[in-house]
Amino acid sequence: ILNVEQSPQSLHVQEGDSTNFTCSFPSSNFYALHWYRWETAKSPEALFVMTLNGDEKKKGRISATLNTKEGYSYLYIKGSQPEDSATYLCAFKSVFGTGTRLLVSP
Amino acid sequence: EAGVTQSPTHLIKTRGQQVTLRCSPISGHTSVYWYQQALGLGLQFLLWYDEGEERNRGNFPPRFSGRQFPNYSSELNVNALELEDSALYLCASSLAGDRAGELFFGEGSRLTVL
Repeated sequence: ILNVEQSPQSLHVQEGDSTNFTCSFPSSNFYALHWYRWETAKSPEALFVMTLNGDEKKKGRISATLNTKEGYSYLYIKGSQPEDSATYLCAFKSVFGTGTRLLVSP
Repeated sequence: EAGVTQSPTHLIKTRGQQVTLRCSPISGHTSVYWYQQALGLGLQFLLWYDEGEERNRGNFPPRFSGRQFPNYSSELNVNALELEDSALYLCASSLAGDRAGELFFGEGSRLTVL
């Protein structure tokens, strides 16, 4: 059974703070690592697909890095805004981590 | 373009009953995935169908089953419902053969078992 772990489980920051969280996954037989954002009362939506070791993807204030050799990916949010409040999920081979629940207070 | 659609959106059943949940993927997508999110837990992988075949199955008992039809829509069946089956069931679709492809999710079916 694949083990995909995320930390921290939850995070509460103030507007303007920068934050980051971690996804760890098995480093063998890697082909892709996905990040999703899941807002309350909505469906999960894809943020990034990471495929190459050393990859860095960016979308606005959100970016992600990938280390396939050691089996981890970081998601960074710069200058958090209240609308960034959501659960951030990573997925490896259709297995999802338990997510990091981010709350950004004004 | 229509997204992934699921039905019903909400339903209430009693222990021992059976339920069927339905999912229509995005047009052109041939892979369908089913996930369960029980209260306080993350997304648990249930089933993956591609081209009408079951390709992978999560760690769930056999009373969870499903199928994929020639038009790539899918059903999830749960027999002999138990209280702990109360959960949000999410369906997602992706392009077949693209192992790096993102999943597109429906809005889910929320099942309550009394």
